[in-house]
Amino acid sequence: EVQLVESGGGLVQPGGSLRLSCAASGFTFSSYWMSWVRQAPGKGLEWVANIKQDGSEKYYVDSVKGRFTISRDNAKNSLYLQMNSLRAEDTAVYYCAREIIVVVPAALSWGMDVWGKGTTVTVSS
Amino acid sequence: DVVMTQSPLSLPVTLGQPASISCRSSQSLVYSDGNTYLNWFQQRPGQSPRRLIYKVSNRDSGVPDRFSGSGSGTDFTLKISRVEAEDVGVYYCMQGTHWSWTFGQGTKVEIK
Repeated sequence: EVQLVESGGGLVQPGGSLRLSCAASGFTFSSYWMSWVRQAPGKGLEWVANIKQDGSEKYYVDSVKGRFTISRDNAKNSLYLQMNSLRAEDTAVYYCAREIIVVVPAALSWGMDVWGKGTTVTVSS
Repeated sequence: DVVMTQSPLSLPVTLGQPASISCRSSQSLVYSDGNTYLNWFQQRPGQSPRRLIYKVSNRDSGVPDRFSGSGSGTDFTLKISRVEAEDVGVYYCMQGTHWSWTFGQGTKVEIK
């Protein structure tokens, strides 16, 4: 069964750090781009970041550039999101997702075809 | 960034009746390869999102054929031919042509 399981969420003070993890199973993890998508309470979806199969390319939404770092370990079938300098507006459910990207030669997205259940991050004092 | 605007934001529908959701982009989503990278997602209450349609009109495996996607350029539509109870939820369009990817605000489908 294809599965993504996030962990690492929790309550953190503004300015603090948190590292999210995502364990993948049931598919060849190293063959896919991977993404993080978040959803603030009662709000819509926001793409946060993604990473190429070998980790050589990474992209971020402007609001997290310089604060968040996406990474992966293909040997461990794992995706990570290091979040620093957290703000109240980063409070959200963070979903790990497998993303289908075609390179022609720019990277273009067919969207996320596998999603985890999400992990909740709350930034509050 | 490309702004994705959905309408309506709330859509009460009678069971068995059709439903239609509009998604408009602030820029054309046609890439120079001739393809359009517009995708649709469904999020049922309390669940993670699920991709329904990719590249405007391609249904994902397991998605009922009552769901269809159409459109071109900046104007796109998701149609449900006959709404069933399991279709209740929020539907999002997402563009994957221009970095960074952006989603619409979501359209909440509910049963009248």
